[in-house]
Amino acid sequence: SQQGEEDPQALSIQEGENATMNCSYKTSINNLQWYRQNSGRGLVHLILIRSNEREKHSGRLRVTLDTSKKSSSLLITASRAADTASYFCATTSGGSNYKLTFGKGTLLTVNP
Amino acid sequence: KAGVTQTPRYLIKTRGQQVTLSCSPISGHRSVSWYQQTPGQGLQFLFEYFSETQRNKGNFPGRFSGRQFSNSRSEMNVSTLELGDSALYLCASSYQASLAKNIQYFGAGTRLSVL
Repeated sequence: SQQGEEDPQALSIQEGENATMNCSYKTSINNLQWYRQNSGRGLVHLILIRSNEREKHSGRLRVTLDTSKKSSSLLITASRAADTASYFCATTSGGSNYKLTFGKGTLLTVNP
Repeated sequence: KAGVTQTPRYLIKTRGQQVTLSCSPISGHRSVSWYQQTPGQGLQFLFEYFSETQRNKGNFPGRFSGRQFSNSRSEMNVSTLELGDSALYLCASSYQASLAKNIQYFGAGTRLSVL
């Protein structure tokens, strides 16, 4: 079953613009992670935020977490064509930290 | 360090056959997880192995099984293939870090087509 639900399902922007993707989940979590997938290949880990953290930065990425609303957002600033990919949020919960529950993902297209 | 290696990359089978997929984790990683990705269901957790023991299992029928060897390499088997088993199968490995900070490293996947 899907825990996270991303929106929008697809996003198309111009190079240099910022891209924001949102994720909602249903149960309490241990942590929330964002992954990127290029064209049906493997997933690449981007950033992890723990349940007791509210915001985290990594390069051009900014993630926020609101546990009261059970939601997270991923902001990519100054986007590049190479950022074109699908982005997934994934959560771990309970005692099962090695089982990631993924959302359906947001397909981001950055036009040059 | 070499990344997670999955073999084969592509596979075509017919209904009723069985298939075995292989995954070599990053050196030093003892946890291996398997996921199925389809356009309809998205990414779904199959199972996770650590030190040759299955620790977690997703909601898949018994036709899906796996194992892990003493060198942490893992195999996944699907018996009596159905058309709906066509998917990208992803393997991920993880070093047993703190429970709050697990990061999984994914292979490129095996794309299975069942005809």
